[in-house]
Amino acid sequence: DVKVTQSSRYLVKRTGEKVFLECVQDMDHENMFWYRQDPGLGLRLIYFSYDVKMKEKGDIPEGYSVSREKKERFSLILESASTNQTSMYLCASSLDRGPLYGYTFGSGTRLTVV
Amino acid sequence: TQLLEQSPQFLSIQEGENLTVYCNSSSVFSSLQWYRQEPGEGPVLLVTVVTGGEVKKLKRLTFQFGDARKDSSLHITAAQPGDTGLYLCAGDRAGNKLTFGGGTRVLVKP
Repeated sequence: DVKVTQSSRYLVKRTGEKVFLECVQDMDHENMFWYRQDPGLGLRLIYFSYDVKMKEKGDIPEGYSVSREKKERFSLILESASTNQTSMYLCASSLDRGPLYGYTFGSGTRLTVV
Repeated sequence: TQLLEQSPQFLSIQEGENLTVYCNSSSVFSSLQWYRQEPGEGPVLLVTVVTGGEVKKLKRLTFQFGDARKDSSLHITAAQPGDTGLYLCAGDRAGNKLTFGGGTRVLVKP
């Protein structure tokens, strides 16, 4: 069964820590995305990547960076965690850039910054 | 400001009733996708609609894309408790980059 795997389901980190969220897909998908999901705000796009070593800012990139050294892996980095980054983080992948391609999501990482 | 507005935000119905969820925007999208998300899990794709006026059916779920490709609706006939979840619409802005609505939480009581 094809899937997107996020390394942690739950994380608790302290303010100021550097946090790494890992995402791996086994579908040979070109595109990968990081969203955060907050009540009342829906899913908001943080960063995305159309290819290895390529990255583009989404709608809310401030305080985040990403890395895609291999096609199957897309990492989200919180350089210095803050309490307003407490959220559910969702990684997704899709096959290609056309409008027909849906996303496959991971199960999410619920991050709490204290 | 969200580009996609979903209504209602919450819907609670009895098993066997019908329901409709709406997804509206002032923007045109190249496609509109619907997802369902259950607690503790990521969203799962239900359907993609591409052509204005398109109607797709998935068992008891009927999806419609507006003629102008700015809005969509999801209709569930004879809802069952297994339909409970968060329903999300998402529009493709360009390059397979999705904008999501705020979601509609559906509770179907037995």
